[in-house]
Amino acid sequence: DGGITQSPKYLFRKEGQNVTLSCEQNLNHDAMYWYRQDPGQGLRLIYYSQIVNDFQKGDIAEGYSVSREKKESFPLTVTSAQKNPTAFYLCASSIAFSTGFFTYEQYFGPGTRLTVT
Amino acid sequence: QQQVKQSPQSLIVQKGGISIINCAYENTAFDYFPWYQQFPGKGPALLIAIRPDVSEKKEGRFTISFNKSAKQFSLHIMDSQPGDSATYFCAASREAVKGGKLIFGQGTELSVKP
Repeated sequence: DGGITQSPKYLFRKEGQNVTLSCEQNLNHDAMYWYRQDPGQGLRLIYYSQIVNDFQKGDIAEGYSVSREKKESFPLTVTSAQKNPTAFYLCASSIAFSTGFFTYEQYFGPGTRLTVT
Repeated sequence: QQQVKQSPQSLIVQKGGISIINCAYENTAFDYFPWYQQFPGKGPALLIAIRPDVSEKKEGRFTISFNKSAKQFSLHIMDSQPGDSATYFCAASREAVKGGKLIFGQGTELSVKP
């Protein structure tokens, strides 16, 4: 069964602690993305990676960090510098990043709901 | 200029009715407009997409209408069913630009009453 796995589904942390959200895909996709979903704000891009060992900041990267050491894995760390970390986090992947000729469909994982108190 | 504005925020429709969700954009360079459907506790999934060379695209009960001059596009769900109850997101991107990213609307929570 091909797909994207995010774990855990629910995560609770104390303020001031860093936390890492897992994202694994077995779709053999080159591109991977992290989005944050807040009520009434849609999905906002945090980071994206076009290929292994490469990643770029999205629109709201402050307070977050990522790594892409393996094609199938793209973990997101929410650091203590993120002022409002409580949110629903979605990981996605696509065959490749936008080429300038075609937009590949993004496939989303089931998400991780992070609560920081 | 990068925003996509979606309305309404929530929508209640009777079974068998038509659900209509609207999106507006400012950036005339956008040339790819997908709609994503998200069920509770799940990630979004691509539902249907349109490019500006056509004014309408239909897939089953789902239709996108596109008005280039008004910079608006909308999703119509005909014969709405309780199973259509979900959150719907419109999005836009500059497909002609390498690395064009999806810009999502705010989302519409649709509830179809039996």
